[in-house]
Amino acid sequence: SQQGEEDPQALSIQEGENATMNCSYKTSINNLQWYRQNSGRGLVHLILIRSNEREKHSGRLRVTLDTSKKSSSLLITASRAADTASYFCAGSPRETSGSRLTFGEGTQLTVNP
Amino acid sequence: DGGITQSPKYLFRKEGQNVTLSCEQNLNHDAMYWYRQDPGQGLRLIYYSQIVNDFQKGDIAEGYSVSREKKESFPLTVTSAQKNPTAFYLCASSIAGRGLGQPQHFGDGTRLSIL
Repeated sequence: SQQGEEDPQALSIQEGENATMNCSYKTSINNLQWYRQNSGRGLVHLILIRSNEREKHSGRLRVTLDTSKKSSSLLITASRAADTASYFCAGSPRETSGSRLTFGEGTQLTVNP
Repeated sequence: DGGITQSPKYLFRKEGQNVTLSCEQNLNHDAMYWYRQDPGQGLRLIYYSQIVNDFQKGDIAEGYSVSREKKESFPLTVTSAQKNPTAFYLCASSIAGRGLGQPQHFGDGTRLSIL
């Protein structure tokens, strides 16, 4: 079942602007991950934030996690045309064993040159 | 270079036919996964395997079957019982989770269509 929901479904910005995508989930998680997918390709892992962390940075990416609201956000700063892709959040549910993830439906980001 | 290879890139299925999608990884990962992605949608888990000779159903296993005879390989068969097989199929692998979701590495997918 899809427990993650991304918001917005689509986002169009100009190069150099910041892009913020949000993700909400339903059940308790061990961690939350963000992935990127270029059209017609597989997903690429971007960043993982643990349930006991509130914020994490990696290059131009900033991720926040609010477990009380069951939500996360991904901020891409100083966006580039090459950032155009779909972005997915994926939660690692506490109640399941092993290493499965539950993916959201994604945000389609378009960065216009 | 280590990675995941899916083949073929495009596949066409006739009515009543079973087809098998290949997934091979050389990352030495214990866990492997199959997902289905429909246009404009997220990923739905079909099957996953955490160790050789063992696998579990995901959320949409009906009409699909898998095997895990080797660590490197996790083929997916789309059977004739799957009435709506047209989709983009993604294979992924990760280190063993031990209850924690580990980052997954993905192949570049197989696009399956019905003739």
